Amino acid sequence: DAKTTQPPSMDCAEGRAANLPCNHSTISGNEYVYWYRQIHSQGPQYIIHGLKNNETNEMASLIITEDRKSSTLILPHATLRDTAVYYCIVRFKAAGNKLTFGGGTRVLVKP
Amino acid sequence: GAVVSQHPSWVICKSGTSVKIECRSLDFQATTMFWYRQFPKQSLMLMATSNEGSKATYEQGVEKDKFLINHASLTLSTLTVTSAHPEDSSFYICSARDFLSGGSHEKLFFGSGTQLSVL
Repeated sequence: DAKTTQPPSMDCAEGRAANLPCNHSTISGNEYVYWYRQIHSQGPQYIIHGLKNNETNEMASLIITEDRKSSTLILPHATLRDTAVYYCIVRFKAAGNKLTFGGGTRVLVKP
Repeated sequence: GAVVSQHPSWVICKSGTSVKIECRSLDFQATTMFWYRQFPKQSLMLMATSNEGSKATYEQGVEKDKFLINHASLTLSTLTVTSAHPEDSSFYICSARDFLSGGSHEKLFFGSGTQLSVL
């Protein structure tokens, strides 16, 4: 699985959009970009995933660059409950469903 | 959405004793479950893959005789930490794949975790 690089931490203001970057310069053509988050002392929660096109769901938007070497997770209106560690994971979709978690970004939403 | 129940949510035990953690898929069948371990302020580390009806597959460096995994049914996997020591104190998390999902990651669900403290 391709490695990812994320900033270790970031703060954002409540009600504002939070943009979380992820670099995955060694991604291969068939690897997907997945985002999970982990709220303190809980199990990870799936957020969104994509291959090439930008994706949006009720939780977030995923913007993938044209060369697919980086992506951005966007939380459109951050709330205090969005405070969590966000993990960007790149992997093949059919590889046994094992998820390899990197360091993630610790996001603190401030009032 | 699908729910994975993990029990207990926390446990304190004496050094040398064994602790069993249960992971149940409540409304779906899970042929495969995964066990992770997480130390404070660190990321999740995959310990093993649990397959229903067969032996678990352990990641490199994880002692299979210390971390016993049983996946006897499509809805239950257990992790037993045998002869626990203080260094085994950690947050243990399971995840389960919905058998009918066909491998989609959005159908991979996580339990709420078990905090193990070994005195």
